[in-house]
Amino acid sequence: TQLLEQSPQFLSIQEGENLTVYCNSSSVFSSLQWYRQEPGEGPVLLVTVVTGGEVKKLKRLTFQFGDARKDSSLHITAAQTGDTGLYLCAGVGAGGTSYGKLTFGQGTILTVHP
Amino acid sequence: DTGVSQDPRHKITKRGQNVTFRCDPISEHNRLYWYRQTLGQGPEFLTYFQNEAQLEKSRLLSDRFSAERPKGSFSTLEIQRTEQGDSAMYLCASSFRDRGALETQYFGPGTRLLVL
Repeated sequence: TQLLEQSPQFLSIQEGENLTVYCNSSSVFSSLQWYRQEPGEGPVLLVTVVTGGEVKKLKRLTFQFGDARKDSSLHITAAQTGDTGLYLCAGVGAGGTSYGKLTFGQGTILTVHP
Repeated sequence: DTGVSQDPRHKITKRGQNVTFRCDPISEHNRLYWYRQTLGQGPEFLTYFQNEAQLEKSRLLSDRFSAERPKGSFSTLEIQRTEQGDSAMYLCASSFRDRGALETQYFGPGTRLLVL
């Protein structure tokens, strides 16, 4: 069974602080995705990382994919109250009928206080 | 196109009743997924379709759960004899599977089920 462990589970910080969320897998996925979800809504894709060692930046968000393609991190610089939400990493299935199937981590609930 | 839609958005039912949820994917998306999400947790895969064929079912999907996508467009998820443990958000996602290309799933807003 492929599992994704996310940490921390909860994060409560002040506006302007930096933070990092980690996602670790027991196995290799074809790619890894990060989503953000707001209460009462479905997850929205932020980024897909495919290549080991890849780094992608999306404004104040930086995503890294580990060299072995089994771990990833999301770093937010100068957090804003609008960053509050549930952040999810998801591994994308590699082959056969599992191709494209998502396996999610348990999520990190981020609260940014003004 | 306005994205993936789900109906109803909220459902309250009594234990033992049957419920049915509907998902309308983005048109021309050939894949449709169902996930279940409990409060503060990540979604868990339930099942998915490519066109009208159901290709995989999770062991989470007990005999009381059934999903259909009869014409390869909308899908329904039925839960028979609901139990309190079925209370969760049921999410639908759709995507276009094109061999060799990255697949992006687009999620609907979910149906929140509460079983009393």
